[in-house]
Amino acid sequence: QKEVEQDPGPLSVPEGAIVSLNCTYSNSAFQYFMWYRQYSRKGPELLMYTYSSGNKEDGRFTAQVDKSSKYISLFIRDSQPSDSATYLCAMRYDSGYSTLTFGKGTMLLVSP
Amino acid sequence: GAVVSQHPSRVICKSGTSVKIECRSLDFQATTMFWYRQFPKQSLMLMATSNEGSKATYEQGVEKDKFLINHASLTLSTLTVTSAHPEDSSFYICSAYGFQNTEAFFGQGTRLTVV
Repeated sequence: QKEVEQDPGPLSVPEGAIVSLNCTYSNSAFQYFMWYRQYSRKGPELLMYTYSSGNKEDGRFTAQVDKSSKYISLFIRDSQPSDSATYLCAMRYDSGYSTLTFGKGTMLLVSP
Repeated sequence: GAVVSQHPSRVICKSGTSVKIECRSLDFQATTMFWYRQFPKQSLMLMATSNEGSKATYEQGVEKDKFLINHASLTLSTLTVTSAHPEDSSFYICSAYGFQNTEAFFGQGTRLTVV
């Protein structure tokens, strides 16, 4: 079993839809959780950052972490064609210099 | 958020030559930077951890003599791909943790093509 599992997609939705992106993980030691958006041939851009369990909202984006289920989600409301990108979940053990463990990324396509 | 700048964004080189990629933290000091490699439609693969003033730590399977990493200052890390071959063609990305060592910020990436 891989440490972080993420469905690669592609996930195709119409403009305005609510998008749900998810990752599961196996190591309960992960404490910090991040979502990155990566456009083709660009570096990942940090979207959301969450520590431990709970929800965090930023504009159209909501990140959820359920540590008991080892499950994290990113919701995008009122999706736009400009949201079309690959979304990577990432997590790390502590607040030091530990490395990130990434999911494979989910490709999202939002059609006008 | 913190800004990490990577240069060049794209480079084409001939087999056997060396290529240097720079990664700079523009508005903060980064004692630790990370170098990743990404193949098409794949996730990021950590190559090495770059530590300012000391030797880099390489992940298993990454040739340290081929991928030379230098972290000479608190704002600059370089990755040199030595004696490049076509199989080294890939997308290379650096990252550094921001001000409070929590969120990781990434450079724009460098697309290397070896012909």
